[in-house]
Amino acid sequence: DAKTTQPTSMDCAEGRAANLPCNHSTISGNEYVYWYRQIHSQGPQYIIHGLKNNETNEMASLIITEDRKSSTLILPHATLRDTAVYYCIVRVAVDSSYKLIFGSGTRLLVRP
Amino acid sequence: GAVVSQHPSWVICKSGTSVKIECRSLDFQATTMFWYRQFPKQSLMLMATSNEGSKATYEQGVEKDKFLINHASLTLSTLTVTSAHPEDSSFYICSAGLAVGWDTQYFGPGTRLTVL
Repeated sequence: DAKTTQPTSMDCAEGRAANLPCNHSTISGNEYVYWYRQIHSQGPQYIIHGLKNNETNEMASLIITEDRKSSTLILPHATLRDTAVYYCIVRVAVDSSYKLIFGSGTRLLVRP
Repeated sequence: GAVVSQHPSWVICKSGTSVKIECRSLDFQATTMFWYRQFPKQSLMLMATSNEGSKATYEQGVEKDKFLINHASLTLSTLTVTSAHPEDSSFYICSAGLAVGWDTQYFGPGTRLTVL
């Protein structure tokens, strides 16, 4: 089962910041938080990941709370092309490898 | 970098036939590849983890004789849906992790399978 819970849907205005929350209260100390997004009928696209510290790249910022029980993905200036389903995932270690268990995700609609 | 391709992008087949889907990492080597299935309006469901040169590890409830996985090289994994039935119609997606110090899975574009 997925270790994350997210709101089913959100919307924001084009050009504004989109803040997508995620709860992962059972996360273990060495488990990473990953964010992917999926545009209709395409494969998921990697956005960002983090362990403890806040992270930023050209696509987004990831804010992780100090207790690591929740995080927020921030798209600083949302565009219409950011409309997608956003998945927050806790990467689970299995033997010598890892698994990504997808939850239901948040459907983000960016309004003109 | 880190591009994953799938072939074919879509396929229609008759019930009872077998269908092979290829997943390739184009610009990196992947010791581990993953296969997912996604039904309409649902999330991705992990089917199996495929390691180069060894047998795949299937998730609970996934029939290994139904979904044959072969990972013969560091850049290619194949999923064969044997004796396909209409309920196997779905969007099949693969992902790959870098062989060295991998920390991210990169996903292919997906293959839409329709079984008539």
